[in-house]
Amino acid sequence: NAGVTQTPKFQVLKTGQSMTLQCAQDMNHNSMYWYRQDPGMGLRLIYYSASEGTTDKGEVPNGYNVSRLNKREFSLRLESAAPSQTSVYFCASSEALPTGRVLPQHFGDGTRLSIL
Amino acid sequence: LAKTTQPISMDSYEGQEVNITCSHNNIATNDYITWYQQFPSQGPRFIIQGYKTKVTNEVASLFIPADRKSSTLSLPRVSLSDTAVYYCLVGGGYQKVTFGIGTKLQVIP
Repeated sequence: NAGVTQTPKFQVLKTGQSMTLQCAQDMNHNSMYWYRQDPGMGLRLIYYSASEGTTDKGEVPNGYNVSRLNKREFSLRLESAAPSQTSVYFCASSEALPTGRVLPQHFGDGTRLSIL
Repeated sequence: LAKTTQPISMDSYEGQEVNITCSHNNIATNDYITWYQQFPSQGPRFIIQGYKTKVTNEVASLFIPADRKSSTLSLPRVSLSDTAVYYCLVGGGYQKVTFGIGTKLQVIP
């Protein structure tokens, strides 16, 4: 059981290049999330998708776009990469109960992105 | 969105019990308290979740007082492999969750 799979694991870009980070989960979860983690800081939410067909901004959405391709896949796109976007990016998924309570998230191992 | 406050770092010797306390004074009625563990170069991993009183699983216990304005994660008899960052989160629905910087636990031989 793979859980949450992120590709690629590492990437180096030049300023201005575009890039799509891929995330797939095999747990049949409705909700998926993208976070970034910078040195000495916690994880900050970029975007989330409560269910297939919906996406919402998190704390730091500027410079990013997302696509919830289907229930399994949630991609994060950098249209014009900037050095400030150098970070480790984590994708996560979770289930939600009919009451609205969101259950704990399952995380991938991250994509380490450097922008020169 | 409930803000949480936890110690930045803690040290403990192997074999000791470690208690990490998190303050969340403005927790809402329908909020749950969730703790995650993160090792270097890995994504966070769920440890335990609770709403009130005490919850225990195979790796930790979570103590929540009646007013729910704080919670304590208890790790029994820690080993070197428990060296990690521990995050306390409070929430219940699709909120703009922020993990914060967490508590860096260093277990000493």
